[in-house]
Amino acid sequence: NAGVTQTPKFQVLKTGQSMTLQCAQDMNHEYMSWYRQDPGMGLRLIHYSVGAGITDQGEVPNGYNVSRSTTEDFPLRLLSAAPSQTSVYFCASSKLAGEGTQYFGPGTRLTVL
Amino acid sequence: AQSVTQLDSHVSVSEGTPVLLRCNYSSSYSPSLFWYVQHPNKGLQLLLKYTSAATLVKGINGFEAEFKKSETSFHLTKPSAHMSDAAEYFCVVSASYSSASKIIFGSGTRLSIRP
Repeated sequence: NAGVTQTPKFQVLKTGQSMTLQCAQDMNHEYMSWYRQDPGMGLRLIHYSVGAGITDQGEVPNGYNVSRSTTEDFPLRLLSAAPSQTSVYFCASSKLAGEGTQYFGPGTRLTVL
Repeated sequence: AQSVTQLDSHVSVSEGTPVLLRCNYSSSYSPSLFWYVQHPNKGLQLLLKYTSAATLVKGINGFEAEFKKSETSFHLTKPSAHMSDAAEYFCVVSASYSSASKIIFGSGTRLSIRP
C-alpha cells in the first residue's frame, strides 16, 4: 500500500512550457485534490475531484487543468508555465469529500524560470 | 464563510518545556477542525481532528487540542517538547458535509526546539 505518490519530485521549466504533474493513490479514495504551498500562505486549493469523471475548481485554479479518468489517478497540467507558478505542489486524497482527513503525497517542487 | 488564523508564525521553546500553538477559526457551519504537521521537505501528516465529539482531542506524539466554541479556538498543546517536534504545523477548518472549497488551511506555525 503506497498511499499517495507524486512524480516528479523536482522540476525546472522555462516560461511558456507545459507539463503534467502526476498523482496516484491506491486506497480507493473518491476524493482527490491539488494544493500549492507558498511561504507564509499555507496550502491553497487548486482543483479537486469527488470521483472519476468529476472535477471542480478550488481557490486558485487559473493556469491549471485537471482530469479524473480513473479513481486512482489525478494529474495536474500546467498549460503555459509562468514564474508565479513556482511553488511546491501537493496532491491529497481522502475517502469522502469534505471529511478533511486527507492523505498527502510527498510533493513536487517546481521552479519556473 | 470560513476562515482560520494561526496567531504565531514562529514559536520557539526549549526541549522539555510545554508547547502551545494557537489557532482561531470562524465558520458558518458546524466545523471539523484539524492539525497537520509537516517536517522539512515532507508531505503533511494528520496530528489530530475534532468532529463534534469530545472537545479535548488527543493526537499522535503526545499532542492534544481543545475545541472551545465560546472562544472559537482550537489550540494545539504538548506538555513536554522533544527535538523531533521541530516542524511546521497547520490548523485546518472544514465544513461538515461540504465541498472541498470549504477546506481552509491556516498559514502555518513553525515550531523550533532549543536544546
